Amino acid sequence: NAGVTQTPKFRVLKTGQSMTLLCAQDMNHEYMYWYRQDPGMGLRLIHYSVGEGTTAKGEVPDGYNVSRLKKQNFLLGLESAAPSQTSVYFCASSAARGYRGLNEQYFGPGTRLTVT
Amino acid sequence: SQQGEEDPQALSIQEGENATMNCSYKTSINNLQWYRQNSGRGLVHLILIRSNEREKHSGRLRVTLDTSKKSSSLLITASRAADTASYFCATPHSGGGADGLTFGKGTHLIIQP
Repeated sequence: NAGVTQTPKFRVLKTGQSMTLLCAQDMNHEYMYWYRQDPGMGLRLIHYSVGEGTTAKGEVPDGYNVSRLKKQNFLLGLESAAPSQTSVYFCASSAARGYRGLNEQYFGPGTRLTVT
Repeated sequence: SQQGEEDPQALSIQEGENATMNCSYKTSINNLQWYRQNSGRGLVHLILIRSNEREKHSGRLRVTLDTSKKSSSLLITASRAADTASYFCATPHSGGGADGLTFGKGTHLIIQP
């Protein structure tokens, strides 16, 4: 049981390049999330998904797109990378909420992205 | 916008001492969660407290919630070197949190041997 995995772990891009970050979870979770973490900051939500085929914008969605074609995968795309997107990106998942549900999120190890 | 704000931003104590961190938030919440992040790693869920609970324990962790003051505290008793990490409080964007969590900037805790 690997939990939440992210690929790649590190990446350096030049301004204007594109890339896709992959998140995979093997816990059969309905909900998945992409956050970014900047130095000295808490995490900020980029996009999230409450089920296969559905996505929604979070707090800082500009410059990013996402897709959830399979329940276990959540992809984050940068179409034209900018230096402001230099950050550590974390994927998380959680089970569907309910009164007795804990709603805690399980995080991947992160992807460190540098845009030059 | 930051919903949760931790205090202090940094805390350094001796091994064996207790560590207390505080979190304040702005709007009504369904629950509040605490997470730990070791350097260079992802976040790990520690404890969740629901809005109708006042105190919750998990091992050496004790969390309190005061909804009238919109504040929570995390107490780590008998600290160990392995407790060195950043600690974040998180609150749901809405409802139970299906639409994500809002995190504070964290408290960086250092346990001196």
